[in-house]
Amino acid sequence: GEDVEQSLFLSVREGDSSVINCTYTDSSSTYLYWYKQEPGAGLQLLTYIFSNMDMKQDQRLTVLLNKKDKHLSLRIADTQTGDSAIYFCAFEGGSYIPTFGRGTSLIVHP
Amino acid sequence: DVKVTQSSRYLVKRTGEKVFLECVQDMDHENMFWYRQDPGLGLRLIYFSYDVKMKEKGDIPEGYSVSREKKERFSLILESASTNQTSMYLCASSSPDRNRELFFGEGSRLTVL
Repeated sequence: GEDVEQSLFLSVREGDSSVINCTYTDSSSTYLYWYKQEPGAGLQLLTYIFSNMDMKQDQRLTVLLNKKDKHLSLRIADTQTGDSAIYFCAFEGGSYIPTFGRGTSLIVHP
Repeated sequence: DVKVTQSSRYLVKRTGEKVFLECVQDMDHENMFWYRQDPGLGLRLIYFSYDVKMKEKGDIPEGYSVSREKKERFSLILESASTNQTSMYLCASSSPDRNRELFFGEGSRLTVL
């Protein structure tokens, strides 16, 4: 199966919370990442979490890591139209090479 | 401001042509990467490089080669372009210290006719 799995689409109403989920297979990663790709642009790091943490909060973003279930999630509070983008979960595989999921397209509608 | 620059945003080539995609970074990063991005498939690693003149195959190296003659520059070469290489190509760089964040270029969209 896939090394990193994400659902392909998520649609939310402006002002609601968005939760993007990711499951992974490699439990040896030191870092797990969320990258954001806006239309017509490359990816930018949104946030990351150390593998020895359960949660990280950064303004409207909350990252939860469940190592037992190999599940990573990104919660965006008070989602805005400017949050519409593709969100990629990624983890470090062997030799510090990042492996990316397929990306979740977040669509925010009024 | 840190920057990864890809030389061409859009290219149109014919089947069988040789294609060069250039990438330059100004952050003195040791690591550089080439990915291709296709709808529904996410990012797939083609090649990466840890240092000048070093290269390693990624997940999908077939039909591609790379060159890293200088630390700041990493080139992707399609020796004989084929229609199934029509894609978005993303270059990235990183440093092995800190959180090993990847810095991406804006991408090169290649169409092979």
